[in-house]
Amino acid sequence: KAGVTQTPRYLIKTRGQQVTLSCSPISGHRSVSWYQQTPGQGLQFLFEYFSETQRNKGNFPGRFSGRQFSNSRSEMNVSTLELGDSALYLCASSLDPGPDTQYFGPGTRLTVL
Amino acid sequence: ILNVEQSPQSLHVQEGDSTNFTCSFPSSNFYALHWYRWETAKSPEALFVMTLNGDEKKKGRISATLNTKEGYSYLYIKGSQPEDSATYLCAFMNSGYALNFGKGTSLLVTP
Repeated sequence: KAGVTQTPRYLIKTRGQQVTLSCSPISGHRSVSWYQQTPGQGLQFLFEYFSETQRNKGNFPGRFSGRQFSNSRSEMNVSTLELGDSALYLCASSLDPGPDTQYFGPGTRLTVL
Repeated sequence: ILNVEQSPQSLHVQEGDSTNFTCSFPSSNFYALHWYRWETAKSPEALFVMTLNGDEKKKGRISATLNTKEGYSYLYIKGSQPEDSATYLCAFMNSGYALNFGKGTSLLVTP
């Protein structure tokens, strides 16, 4: 069974631009969560989607948004990029929301110049 | 923001040593506790999901215990091997189903 895939793997943008990251969950998984990893803060929860609905959102500004499609694929968007948005963005999928194991993708490394 | 603390921050042991790490989390509104292993240049790999007070889980040389009343979990590695070198993360899940991660314990096992 294929794992979670994320595209692109690396991205370089400049301040003020916007970016869209994509996540394809494991086949059959319906819940997708997004996390940001920075050296100082560790892994922080961004949001979770299930059945095309955002169920939960972390403590991030409105510049961070996402969506989920009917095939469970998810995208996250960051508008008006800031230097501090440079991070590794990970998505994780699980069968359903709840205590199910979350399986992580390889991440997208975003660098904002 | 839910405070999940892990200790120690880093650990350096010799091959064959047994070791353990601690994860502290809020004892209220508990739903599950996850442990992950994250090796450099790889994705975090799930080790355990624990939901009940007193839960004990085992996977090869790695085991974990859970105390939800006092808000802590221990991860044990018996007979550490160089391939165990990684960052070990715990994550607390409350009833909202979001994972709140600690900053991890970085383990280095040298031959």
